[in-house]
Amino acid sequence: KAGVTQTPRYLIKTRGQQVTLSCSPISGHRSVSWYQQTPGQGLQFLFEYFSETQRNKGNFPGRFSGRQFSNSRSEMNVSTLELGDSALYLCASSLLGQETQYFGPGTRLLVL
Amino acid sequence: GEDVEQSLFLSVREGDSSVINCTYTDSSSTYLYWYKQEPGAGLQLLTYIFSNMDMKQDQRLTVLLNKKDKHLSLRIADTQTGDSAIYFCAEAPPGGGNKLTFGTGTQLKVEL
Repeated sequence: KAGVTQTPRYLIKTRGQQVTLSCSPISGHRSVSWYQQTPGQGLQFLFEYFSETQRNKGNFPGRFSGRQFSNSRSEMNVSTLELGDSALYLCASSLLGQETQYFGPGTRLLVL
Repeated sequence: GEDVEQSLFLSVREGDSSVINCTYTDSSSTYLYWYKQEPGAGLQLLTYIFSNMDMKQDQRLTVLLNKKDKHLSLRIADTQTGDSAIYFCAEAPPGGGNKLTFGTGTQLKVEL
């Protein structure tokens, strides 16, 4: 089986712009979670989607949003980018949301 | 609080055993995980342990869980240079779900 894939792998944006990141889970997995990794804050949970519904949410401002499609693929969007949004954004999938999560390679976002 | 703690650095010689420690926060956590992250990469699942177990062995990896002290450790036998990476422990919330809380990560350096 193919693993979790994320696109794009690298992205450079400027302050005030918005960005959309994409995640394709392992085939058959219905739960997708997103995490932000920064040197200062470490790995932090953003949100989880299951069957096209947001099931869990972390402590991030409303500028961070996501969605999941019927084929379980997920996107996350960050609007009005700030310098502090520069990070590695990781997506993880699991079968039903109760089991082990498998992570993708991440999208590295740089905000200038 | 929700801090999962790990020591920042560990240096070992090739062929020795490495022990990476983690103190987690929630005694009712269901699953506890160890992930490995190599430079520029996502998270690779190494192993996990269910909260009703004390020990789990998987080839060179041994996980020990002390629920009373909320202490988790990962022992890597016969450590190799390819084991150099950052190791994260993570706890899953009680009742399941994918909102993992990660530790700060331990950078393992394997010297010849």
